[in-house]
Amino acid sequence: DAGVIQSPRHEVTEMGQEVTLRCKPISGHDYLFWYRQTMMRGLELLIYFNNNVPIDDSGMPEDRFSAKMPNASFSTLKIQPSEPRDSAVYFCASSKTGTGKEKLFFGSGTQLSVL
Amino acid sequence: QKEVEQNSGPLSVPEGAIASLNCTYSDRVSQSFFWYRQYSGKSPELIMSIYSNGDKEDGRFTAQLNKASQYVSLLIRDSQPSDSATYLCAVKPANMLTFGGGTRLMVKP
Repeated sequence: DAGVIQSPRHEVTEMGQEVTLRCKPISGHDYLFWYRQTMMRGLELLIYFNNNVPIDDSGMPEDRFSAKMPNASFSTLKIQPSEPRDSAVYFCASSKTGTGKEKLFFGSGTQLSVL
Repeated sequence: QKEVEQNSGPLSVPEGAIASLNCTYSDRVSQSFFWYRQYSGKSPELIMSIYSNGDKEDGRFTAQLNKASQYVSLLIRDSQPSDSATYLCAVKPANMLTFGGGTRLMVKP
């Protein structure tokens, strides 16, 4: 299996620009998670989907952030407009419902720098 | 109080020693517990999971869980320089996995 695939690996943009991060989960996984990691705050859950439906977006920092999952094999996280404080590594992860002991598999992450 | 607490470290141990990493959590309904290893610049990878009180061994790794004390630990025997990484404790009370801040482990040759 190819694992969770994220793109781009690195993104450098200027404040005010729109940023779109992409994720392809592992085939057959029905949960998809977006996390953000910074030195100060560690790994934070932003939003997660179950069967393409957003379940909990309480971790989304503000309205500038939005996430979609149009089908089982693709999700996007969009920041518009971007700000320097959004600079972080953004991870996508997926898991499969089974015995209730689901394990999370992470993508390689997107390093976002907002100048 | 954070939901999952870990000492940020760094924890420095000599090669061949036992490294002991600790984690406490606040939500008593948590049923699933995980340890992830994250090398610098890489993504977290699952190394251990534990669901019942007691010890679970996998090679050089042993996870220990005490639900009454809300405490999870990870022991790494015969530590190697390649074990140097940040170890993240994760707890799952419902559908959301909550991570601790991680403990940085340094194994010195």
